[in-house]
Amino acid sequence: GAVVSQHPSRVICKSGTSVKIECRSLDFQATTMFWYRQFPKQSLMLMATSNEGSKATYEQGVEKDKFLINHASLTLSTLTVTSAHPEDSSFYICSASWTGGNYGYTFGSGTRLTVV
Amino acid sequence: GESVGLHLPTLSVQEGDNSIINCAYSNSASDYFIWYKQESGKGPQFIIDIRSNMDKRQGQRVTVLLNKTVKHLSLQIAATQPGDSAVYFCAENLPWGNTPLVFGKGTRLSVIA
Repeated sequence: GAVVSQHPSRVICKSGTSVKIECRSLDFQATTMFWYRQFPKQSLMLMATSNEGSKATYEQGVEKDKFLINHASLTLSTLTVTSAHPEDSSFYICSASWTGGNYGYTFGSGTRLTVV
Repeated sequence: GESVGLHLPTLSVQEGDNSIINCAYSNSASDYFIWYKQESGKGPQFIIDIRSNMDKRQGQRVTVLLNKTVKHLSLQIAATQPGDSAVYFCAENLPWGNTPLVFGKGTRLSVIA
């Protein structure tokens, strides 16, 4: 149980275009989802926390107008990278918290974004 | 042996030996800790967790030790196998619900066959 599906797994886009990444909780309701970014050989850095039905909370230094997060339902959160630039190329990972007898976290499989 | 690379420290061990991966966490108020394994191009995979009311927890071939006095966490892997080669992260969480996990810097484990 507590499976999170993230797609696409890989995407290549041109500079200036926008890319949407989806994160779905398959067998539980995720009231809260987290979005992380990971650069090569580095750790996961939290970008934002999204709560269903409300605005996301962004970490310091993360541009909310560039990284649009929508959490319109209990099973879906999306991250849209707008006007992408090569420096946005990274590995993006979503995570959902759940309470299934034991409070826990589950992660998506990640999205490799390459902006050319 | 252990070496510090550009970003991730690397631990190299012989197959069959035991591995010990260390982590210093940042917040003394954290009460829940998790070790994750991450293979290249994949999301983090849960290994084992521990709450702050414990100092040791064992799983299958893995043991986590928690020292709250010095804010230190370790992961011990017994009889390390080539399939254990990956990057390992510790993560900490604060006691109030729905807060995000904060990840440590990570250690790359390289198993020498």
